[in-house]
Amino acid sequence: DAGITQSPRHKVTETGTPVTLRCHQTENHRYMYWYRQDPGHGLRLIHYSYGVKDTDKGEVSDGYSVSRSKTEDFLLTLESATSSQTSVYFCASSAGQQETQYFGPGTRLLVL
Amino acid sequence: AQSVTQPDIHITVSEGASLELRCNYSYGATPYLFWYVQSPGQGLQLLLKYFSGDTLVQGIKGFEAEFKRSQSSFNLRKPSVHWSDAAEYFCAVAMNRDDKIIFGKGTRLHILP
Repeated sequence: DAGITQSPRHKVTETGTPVTLRCHQTENHRYMYWYRQDPGHGLRLIHYSYGVKDTDKGEVSDGYSVSRSKTEDFLLTLESATSSQTSVYFCASSAGQQETQYFGPGTRLLVL
Repeated sequence: AQSVTQPDIHITVSEGASLELRCNYSYGATPYLFWYVQSPGQGLQLLLKYFSGDTLVQGIKGFEAEFKRSQSSFNLRKPSVHWSDAAEYFCAVAMNRDDKIIFGKGTRLHILP
């Protein structure tokens, strides 16, 4: 299995505070992704990256920003967390855009 | 815009019975098709994928899927399910090499002993 980790695994925060989630992969994959998973909505793409400093928006990017300064790390930032951003966040990586995506274990975020 | 539909939110089958999970996509081109599985509390894992060639593809854990262009479908099958197959299953589609992969909303599989 590809080595992909997420931190933190659980986080509780208050509305209006900034939150940063980290994704780290050891496979030298070019592509990295951030998804959120909510009941009834499946997995929805927030942002993705196709290389260092190369990122693009996904389906539900409002309220989120990302950064990728190294191949192995992809950060997701909630600039000012809202209750609607309570979700489970998954990071994934792949060698190519249509190649197998390898998923991290997820981060459960609760915004109070 | 491309979309992928999994018509069944929940499916319950008895252990040892056969299984078919449905997936339909909307678009005319030959897509890139995937099935992923998510066990409780874990991330997703690829079961199988189809890009071209033989329309019946074999995956891990005894699963297979068949691409039917005429029906815009990519249904997942298993001849005999095991209790450990209880999980959520996601179909995913990309319409061409340059498109992002879109995931369906998932089908949760329950297994009766």
